[in-house]
Parts: sequence; C-alpha cells; structure tokens
Amino acid sequence: DADVTQTPRNRITKTGKRIMLECSQTKGHDRMYWYRQDPGLGLRLIYYSFDVKDINKGEISDGYSVSRQAQAKFSLSLESAIPNQTALYFCATSGPGQGFMNTEAFFGQGTRLTVV
Amino acid sequence: DQQVKQNSPSLSVQEGRISILNCDYTNSMFDYFLWYKKYPAEGPTFLISISSIKDKNEDGRFTVFLNKSAKHLSLHIVPSQPGDSAVYFCAASAMEYGQNFVFGPGTRLSVLP
Repeated sequence: DADVTQTPRNRITKTGKRIMLECSQTKGHDRMYWYRQDPGLGLRLIYYSFDVKDINKGEISDGYSVSRQAQAKFSLSLESAIPNQTALYFCATSGPGQGFMNTEAFFGQGTRLTVV
Repeated sequence: DQQVKQNSPSLSVQEGRISILNCDYTNSMFDYFLWYKKYPAEGPTFLISISSIKDKNEDGRFTVFLNKSAKHLSLHIVPSQPGDSAVYFCAASAMEYGQNFVFGPGTRLSVLP
C-alpha cells in the first residue's frame, strides 16, 4: 500500500462545481502539502499544514481551500471549479527530521483534474 | 519570478554516457536542495539531496554538486540507463521558511539505447 494515497486519481468536472480531493498518509508525518503541476511550471505550492491546527497559504492559493481533518488527512477543495484549474494535483508529506534537520517530501501518485 | 530554475526543458543522452542536469536558484536563504524523479502517471520520488554545508553528495550512480557562490547545482548520472528516462525536478528549501519546498519546472531526460 502507498504511504501517501490520493483520491480520486482522475476526475472530470464541470465549471462551477465544487470538488474535493483527498489525501491520506501512513508515514506519521506532521507536515502535509498540496501542489499543482502544470507543463513548464513545475510543482507549485497551493497550501501546506505543519500540524492539525496549522494551515498556511502557498504560492497559488486563490480559488482553493483546505481542511486538515486529522494528522493523517489533508483535503483540497475547489469551491467553484474553473477550466484553468485543470492540472495534475499532488499531495505530499514530510517529517521534521532529527534535530530539526531538513528532510525530503514524499508524494502521492497524483490526481488528474479536468474542468470542462 | 521563479526562485528555482531549470533552463533545459529536455536532454537526450546515449545509454552508458553521463547525464548532467542543471539547476539554478536565486534565493540565498535556501539551505537544502533535492532532486526528484518523476515517471508518467506517478508522483515524484526523492532521488538525492544536499545540504548547503556540503558541495558534493553521492549515492550510487547519482551525484549532486552544489556551487553556493554561483547559486548552481547539478545532478550527474553515470552511467545513464534507459530506466533513468523521466522528468527530473530540482527543489530547494530553507529552514528560515519552515522548510517549504520550491520546485523548478523540470527537465525531461531521455536515455537512448
């Protein structure tokens, strides 16, 4: 089983609809992230959360909201989807590292979202 | 303005030869650098990292070099194998910013048999 699981893997939705992407992790990490990937732009940070009570906006948070339901669950919502939100979305987790040293992020397999 | 840049969108290399992927950054606060590999329909997977206190880190066929004065890092793959064909993302983080990861746009590596 994957350490970071995203659902759904693929979704087509209509403009104006609300949609939720879900992410769960079994790594026991406190930190969770939502990224979006667009061709030529790499991975851009939407929102991040360093623990259950902590939610922070990333580089491109407009049009999105998140909910950290538990340490292991972090969901991303598009309140009213628009076509330019068509992208590949990735959830990721990371730990604080020993002695607060830097660590890497672990990614889910992605959700391909198409807004028509 | 992109803080992490990968100026080569694609790179083709013959099997067995060296692949060199380059990355430049603009923010001097970055203190940790990572390389990720991504296959189609999969999430990025961590490959190798380097702390700003080092200038080289090696793991098998993969070596990352860091030149802090030039704000430049590179990933060397020797020897390159067809299975290395993927998109490679450079990423950077800073303790100062709570270790959020900033990614470059990626370089698509094709290793030709």
